[in-house]
Amino acid sequence: AQSVTQLDSQVPVFEEAPVELRCNYSSSVSVYLFWYVQYPNQGLQLLLKYLSGSTLVESINGFEAEFNKSQTSFHLRKPSVHISDTAEYFCAVNPGYSSASKIIFGSGTRLSIRP
Amino acid sequence: DAGVTQSPTHLIKTRGQQVTLRCSPKSGHDTVSWYQQALGQGPQFIFQYYEEEERQRGNFPDRFSGHQFPNYSSELNVNALLLGDSALYLCASSLGGQGSYEQYFGPGTRLTVT
Repeated sequence: AQSVTQLDSQVPVFEEAPVELRCNYSSSVSVYLFWYVQYPNQGLQLLLKYLSGSTLVESINGFEAEFNKSQTSFHLRKPSVHISDTAEYFCAVNPGYSSASKIIFGSGTRLSIRP
Repeated sequence: DAGVTQSPTHLIKTRGQQVTLRCSPKSGHDTVSWYQQALGQGPQFIFQYYEEEERQRGNFPDRFSGHQFPNYSSELNVNALLLGDSALYLCASSLGGQGSYEQYFGPGTRLTVT
């Protein structure tokens, strides 16, 4: 069965410092990978996605993630974080069995930014 | 373009009662999935509806049931509520055809069972 592992439950960083949130998934023939962000008391927002093509994907607010098939990883990075990035981040995989397969989520990483 | 909407926002029920949660998908989407997110955890897949039928189901008991209407909106029903059913219930919509692997989430309904 597909699974997603987020290696850190909490990541505290100082404002303007770089951050990496780690994500590993169990392998499959094809997977489609996502990072979702959840701000306090809100639903999930899609941050970025890997479907095919370039292994480096970027979001509009400076986050990027790299799909590494050999290491089955999809780590999320940002070179300089802002207080507004404080949120819970979920790595997720669509196993690709069909266009609307269930999404499997990791347990989440809480990113807290210190001024 | 309206996104995914859910109602109500919050709900408090007593153990043993029944609850119905509602979801309207993003315009143009025909598939609705429901997820349960317990406090401090990632969302867990409950089931998915497409063409008014349950197409996939996660590891949830039969107390959890659903329905999809001709306009693609959906309901999640939970019978005989338990304290452990307290969670944020998220609805996600997507396109049922090939080529779209993204799901768009609503703001959720927070259910508290006392």
